Amino acid sequence: KQEVTQIPAALSVPEGENLVLNCSFTDSAIYNLQWFRQDPGKGLTSLLLIQSSQREQTSGRLNASLDKSSGRSTLYIAASQPGDSATYLCAPRGSSGDKLTFGTGTRLAVRP
Amino acid sequence: GAVVSQHPSWVICKSGTSVKIECRSLDFQATTMFWYRQFPKQSLMLMATSNEGSKATYEQGVEKDKFLINHASLTLSTLTVTSAHPEDSSFYICSARDTRRGAKEQYFGPGTRLTVT
Repeated sequence: KQEVTQIPAALSVPEGENLVLNCSFTDSAIYNLQWFRQDPGKGLTSLLLIQSSQREQTSGRLNASLDKSSGRSTLYIAASQPGDSATYLCAPRGSSGDKLTFGTGTRLAVRP
Repeated sequence: GAVVSQHPSWVICKSGTSVKIECRSLDFQATTMFWYRQFPKQSLMLMATSNEGSKATYEQGVEKDKFLINHASLTLSTLTVTSAHPEDSSFYICSARDTRRGAKEQYFGPGTRLTVT
């Protein structure tokens, strides 16, 4: 059974800082891994998807890396802004089937 | 592109009644849809997976007779919470994927907050 851990659980930083969110998973047999953003009381917005054969993906100020063999992924946010405040979730997808397993997320607060 | 909507966005119902939640893919055909539940301060837990035209597959511990899922068309799935109780109060989120096109991402709806009084 896949288990996903995200560290830290919560993070508060001043605007402009670069930061790293960590995700670890127990079963390395994954098809891909997605990073999502969730605003309070809202659904999920997909940020980045990394295939199992890829090492990293970039979108704007976001960069996600994947080390499948060690069961780790990181989300790097450059030059953080107050609008980045949200909960960030990682979700690896198993190599068989469609199931995404979610971590409990990192709650990010970026102070102006 | 790849927009998923849910209706209603929130609903309050009395204990013992049934509630139906709709999930629609607006600009693609969702051959596979997923229903998740999220309790406060917790992560999303997959409840069931449904493929258009076939019965849903439920995750362990999810009562299929209580949470009825109908994937009626390539753009619509419904989740009916039957005989709802206060412990069913939660945030329900659906997602969809076009498996026929080999799409890799699941696209998520905005969620429905259910409160059972």
